[in-house]
Amino acid sequence: DVVMTQSPLSLPVTLGQPASISCRSSQSLVHSDGNTYLVWFQQRPGQSPRRLIYKVSNRDSGVPDRFSGSGSGTDFTLKISRVEAEDVGVYYCMQGTHWPWTFGQGTKVEIK
Amino acid sequence: EVQLVESGGGLVQPGGSLRLSCAASGFTFSSFWMSWVRQAPGKGLECVANLKEDGSQKYYVESVKGRFTISRDNAKNSLFLQISSLRAEDTAVYYCARLARGSAEVYWGQGTQVTVSS
Repeated sequence: DVVMTQSPLSLPVTLGQPASISCRSSQSLVHSDGNTYLVWFQQRPGQSPRRLIYKVSNRDSGVPDRFSGSGSGTDFTLKISRVEAEDVGVYYCMQGTHWPWTFGQGTKVEIK
Repeated sequence: EVQLVESGGGLVQPGGSLRLSCAASGFTFSSFWMSWVRQAPGKGLECVANLKEDGSQKYYVESVKGRFTISRDNAKNSLFLQISSLRAEDTAVYYCARLARGSAEVYWGQGTQVTVSS
């Protein structure tokens, strides 16, 4: 199975400051169809996960534009341009290129 | 409105079995891959099984192969997970999910708790 490795695992951030989460895969996530199926989820405390980004850099409907995704091959990044209080939670990357789909360990974002 | 409602969780002894169910509504169930995702207490997400629209392809995470079986009944808009030979490390909230790697919307149920303990 493809291993997804996130860093850092804990990210204390000051309100209004940027935040960045790294996700690396043990294999290239470029699918034979040419797409790269790397997804980012946010899980707020006590809630089910919510997808933020699909195919590396496409924001889901309703996701604030302060969230952005980038990367290619095996290295990917989720950035929050200015952290707000509602962004507290755990962020997961997930690959959908190879079966079975696998998640990273999660990065806990908290306010300093 | 899309709804995914899980049931069937509970307390079971090590080595025991359970059958989890997920009732889907609000979308054309037979047109989507479906998945079971679990989350152990205080831990991250783990996709344990994926199932193709017509049930012809199934994929499992290594740790559950041979013990878990995913299936579906498209006529009844239902997804199932038969879990057996349960171990303490299978204790988790099990989510039914319509995951998507492309632009299709993603939906999650509220989860059902499975606790393996003697």
